[in-house]
Amino acid sequence: QQQVKQSPQSLIVQKGGISIINCAYENTAFDYFPWYQQFPGKGPALLIAIRPDVSEKKEGRFTISFNKSAKQFSLHIMDSQPGDSATYFCAAGRSSNTGKLIFGQGTTLQVKP
Amino acid sequence: DVKVTQSSRYLVKRTGEKVFLECVQDMDHENMFWYRQDPGLGLRLIYFSYDVKMKEKGDIPEGYSVSREKKERFSLILESASTNQTSMYLCASSENRGPDTQYFGPGTRLTVL
Repeated sequence: QQQVKQSPQSLIVQKGGISIINCAYENTAFDYFPWYQQFPGKGPALLIAIRPDVSEKKEGRFTISFNKSAKQFSLHIMDSQPGDSATYFCAAGRSSNTGKLIFGQGTTLQVKP
Repeated sequence: DVKVTQSSRYLVKRTGEKVFLECVQDMDHENMFWYRQDPGLGLRLIYFSYDVKMKEKGDIPEGYSVSREKKERFSLILESASTNQTSMYLCASSENRGPDTQYFGPGTRLTVL
């Protein structure tokens, strides 16, 4: 019930390509879905987040697509750059749950020049 | 800028030792969290605290305890370190009671020999 499943575990994309990372959740009470980006030697940092009242949110080259009926959400990175090479985590949370988030397993993205 | 600091970047301890990991945040945040990060397993919540002296177990609390005597400081304690507690430990804080941006420290890489 509390799991968030993330795929793929690793991803290699050419510069300029589109990177797509998928997440699926089970608990329909989740109402907050953030993505975090982590560079080597650093802690994760919030990249972009969505709530289920919208199906898509875009910030620059990063877009979250949300499918409530399928209980899935995904991160799309357009025009991927070598500087996007990092580990990405999806997460899910509930408004009534004291700020607790359930994180996915992580995806290591490598963007080749 | 929110700053979350962790007492050590790298720590090497022996089996059976008592280990203290310290975390300090400078933004008067209500919530603080301790995670461990392992390849392929993502971020797993150990304990969190939503107020001074308040704590709740996360998903993997066994072998750990926590202390929050002051709002800005959250300590993770390994009463008797074991080799399976070798991991990256991440501290985070967030402002509100509901799901909100979590700000992470740089992590402590703990090795238990």
